[in-house]
Amino acid sequence: EVQLVESGGGMVQPGGSLRLSCAASGFSLTGYSMIWVRQAPGKGLEWFSYISSSSSTIKYADFVKGRFTISRDNAKNSLFLQMNSLRAVDTAVYYCARGSGDYGGSYMDVWGKGTAVTVSS
Amino acid sequence: QSALTQPRSVSGSPGQSVTISCTGTSSDVGTYGYVSWYQQHPGKAPKLIIYDVSRWPSGVPDRFSGSKSGNTASLTISGLQSEDEGDYYCCSYAGGYTLVFGGGTKVTVL
Repeated sequence: EVQLVESGGGMVQPGGSLRLSCAASGFSLTGYSMIWVRQAPGKGLEWFSYISSSSSTIKYADFVKGRFTISRDNAKNSLFLQMNSLRAVDTAVYYCARGSGDYGGSYMDVWGKGTAVTVSS
Repeated sequence: QSALTQPRSVSGSPGQSVTISCTGTSSDVGTYGYVSWYQQHPGKAPKLIIYDVSRWPSGVPDRFSGSKSGNTASLTISGLQSEDEGDYYCCSYAGGYTLVFGGGTKVTVL
């Protein structure tokens, strides 16, 4: 079964850091771009990061640029998100998703169940 | 980039059709044929139901259909069923390997 499983979420104080992981199973991460999307409580989906299959292209939304770092380890079939300088507005469920289609990420065809991040003092 | 514009809610009776609009700009929906739609039930992960404006992933019923005209994309659910109740999000490629979502539409089956 094709599956993505996120981990690493939790509660952290403002200004703190967290590292999220996304483990893929049932398919090889190699050859797929990967995407992070988040959803604040009661709010909509929000794209914020993309990484190409070889890590040669990385993109961030402005609101996380300079604070979050996306990376991957294809040998371990895993995707990562290092989140620094966390703010209360970063409180959300974080989803990893597999990118497909043209540009390697024009849509997301496999999603994890998400991991919750709460930033609060 | 700014979020795509969707109606906050739509509703219909079982068997009826409902259409959700998704309005973007010439920088996203209007330029690229890469609009996708996602269905999300409460507490669950989003699920891809339409990609590349009007294509179905395997396993998605053809009651769901997508289209696009200019800067506006649309999702139509025909033969509405109780299990179709949930939130629906449009998403468009916006260039430079970035994506933009709509604010979401809550579908209620009366």
